[in-house]
Amino acid sequence: DAGVIQSPRHEVTEMGQEVTLRCKLISGHNSLFWYRQTMMRGLELLIYFNNNVPIDDSGMPEDRFSAKMPNASFSTLKIQPSEPRDSAVYFCASSLRRGPHPEAFFGQGTRLTVV
Amino acid sequence: AQTVTQSQPEMSVQEAETVTLSCTYDTSESDYYLFWYKQPPSRQMILVIRQEAYKQQNATENRFSVNFQKAAKSFSLKISDSQLGDAAMYFCAYRSAGGSQGNLIFGKGTKLSVKP
Repeated sequence: DAGVIQSPRHEVTEMGQEVTLRCKLISGHNSLFWYRQTMMRGLELLIYFNNNVPIDDSGMPEDRFSAKMPNASFSTLKIQPSEPRDSAVYFCASSLRRGPHPEAFFGQGTRLTVV
Repeated sequence: AQTVTQSQPEMSVQEAETVTLSCTYDTSESDYYLFWYKQPPSRQMILVIRQEAYKQQNATENRFSVNFQKAAKSFSLKISDSQLGDAAMYFCAYRSAGGSQGNLIFGKGTKLSVKP
């Protein structure tokens, strides 16, 4: 398995534009996490899905952010409209919910810069 | 809600020496997992070690070991024979094992420097 795959690796966009980040889960995993990492706030959990269902979205900053899982192996995080304060590294991670290996496997992250 | 606290923003260790990174957590649950992740400058998040709360034995992975104190809600990471490649941010994380929740909650991290 190629691991968790995120795209794009880097994104530079202008304030007000729509941004879509993509994530492909490891085959067979049923949990999906989206995180945002900044120097000031560290690693923040944005949203957590289990079996394609959002379980906890309390970390989503505001209505400008939305996340979906159209199928069991793929997820998107959309920011519309984007603002400079959204600049951060965004990670997705997948895992099994239970069992001997419940640890999350991370993608390499998307560095988002909003100018 | 569960919280994870890493009280050491930065630590430093001499190459070949031993260092211990601290982590405490707060939860009312009895069944959960604890993890240490490493994030080198490449920004890739790498699992270092995993501990199941129901196991009394402390987990060990080569030079990495933990001291899991369930009653004290403490989960420290010991790195023995430190190497230059161990320099990274280290994150402690908690995950509930039961129920419908399963969030993976991280601490703020400890930046480890290794001196040659």
